[in-house]
Amino acid sequence: EAGVTQFPSHSVIEKGQTVTLRCDPISGHDNLYWYRRVMGKEIKFLLHFVKESKQDESGMPNNRFLAERTGGTYSTLKVQPAELEDSGVYFCASSRQDQPQHFGDGTRLSIL
Amino acid sequence: QKEVEQNSGPLSVPEGAIASLNCTYSDRGSQSFFWYRQYSGKSPELIMFIYSNGDKEDGRFTAQLNKASQYVSLLIRDSQPSDSATYLCAVGGDGSGYSTLTFGKGTMLLVSP
Repeated sequence: EAGVTQFPSHSVIEKGQTVTLRCDPISGHDNLYWYRRVMGKEIKFLLHFVKESKQDESGMPNNRFLAERTGGTYSTLKVQPAELEDSGVYFCASSRQDQPQHFGDGTRLSIL
Repeated sequence: QKEVEQNSGPLSVPEGAIASLNCTYSDRGSQSFFWYRQYSGKSPELIMFIYSNGDKEDGRFTAQLNKASQYVSLLIRDSQPSDSATYLCAVGGDGSGYSTLTFGKGTMLLVSP
């Protein structure tokens, strides 16, 4: 069984530009989560999809972040426009109902 | 504000010893508790989860939960150099897959040959 896959593994962009991160969950996992770790801090929750619906987006920092999960399969997280404080590692996780979450390797995002 | 506290380490143990990793959490309503292992640049890998008070054993790993003390621990027996990694404690609001996780900053474990 393939694990959670994230693209790209690294992204370096300038302040003000747009970046889109992608997550492919484990096949059959209805739950998809985005988390972020900024330097020196713990991993923090951003939002949670159940299939194509946003179950909880209480962790999204502001309206520069837009997450989508069309068709309930893969998900994208767009940052527009990117700011310096958005730098960090963005993790995606997925799970079946009532099962623990499995994480991808993350996308390391650097804003210059 | 839900918080999960871990000693950042590093915790250094010799090969073959028992490594003991600890975690406390602030939300008394938490119901699910997870230990993830993370190698540098890699994904957090689930190694143990526990929902009920007491001990849960899986191979060389034992998770211990004390809800009254709001304390979770992970014991690694017969530690190996390959166990050297950062161990993340994560806490969920309930025992379902719907629960979002609150993480600690992680404890770095170093196992010397």
